[in-house]
Amino acid sequence: DTAVSQTPKYLVTQMGNDKSIKCEQNLGHDTMYWYKQDSKKFLKIMFSYNNKELIINETVPNRFSPKSPDKAHLNLHINSLELGDSAVYFCASSRRLAGVSSTDTQYFGPGTRLTVL
Amino acid sequence: GQQVMQIPQYQHVQEGEDFTTYCNSSTTLSNIQWYKQRPGGHPVFLIQLVKSGEVKKQKRLTFQFGEAKKNSSLHITATQTTDVGTYFCAGPSSSDKLIFGTGTRLQVFP
Repeated sequence: DTAVSQTPKYLVTQMGNDKSIKCEQNLGHDTMYWYKQDSKKFLKIMFSYNNKELIINETVPNRFSPKSPDKAHLNLHINSLELGDSAVYFCASSRRLAGVSSTDTQYFGPGTRLTVL
Repeated sequence: GQQVMQIPQYQHVQEGEDFTTYCNSSTTLSNIQWYKQRPGGHPVFLIQLVKSGEVKKQKRLTFQFGEAKKNSSLHITATQTTDVGTYFCAGPSSSDKLIFGTGTRLQVFP
């Protein structure tokens, strides 16, 4: 069984469109994340949710709106897509929130490669 | 803010050569984690180090946590083509997130 799944795996769309990416984890974890990985492979956190509550919002444009209907799901909706949004978006989960002394590791989904034309 | 840098950014080696990536944090870490991302894949957890000066081995991979708990290294002995990928270190921060290093991309030529 897949631990963290994302759909779709690939997304090609025109500038200005609105799109959504879905993520589900079956690990029973409390915390879920969205990361953006650019072409240089830098992994940048965008959002984290703990038990459906938004914890981290890393100065992401408000065109990006995450939604967590329950603690096993975290979706990402993007409005008015721009060329610079092209990247791989990873969903991840961990048992608990990553505090300063946390030893919890993160489990990543397979990623969604978004290409904006 | 807290930063985690890795060097080198890229490394190309001949199969059989050794490889080392270094990870440096701007702040002291309670623990350090290492992840590997294969080309086209997603980051996968490799190991966690908690104690100052700790050394752990996984077959040909040797991980070390610095005495000051601000740096770490990953050494691969006799690289194989299956070692290809990007290696990330990561450490927890006071702002409820895991800070990932900048990554080192390893290419192994047969």
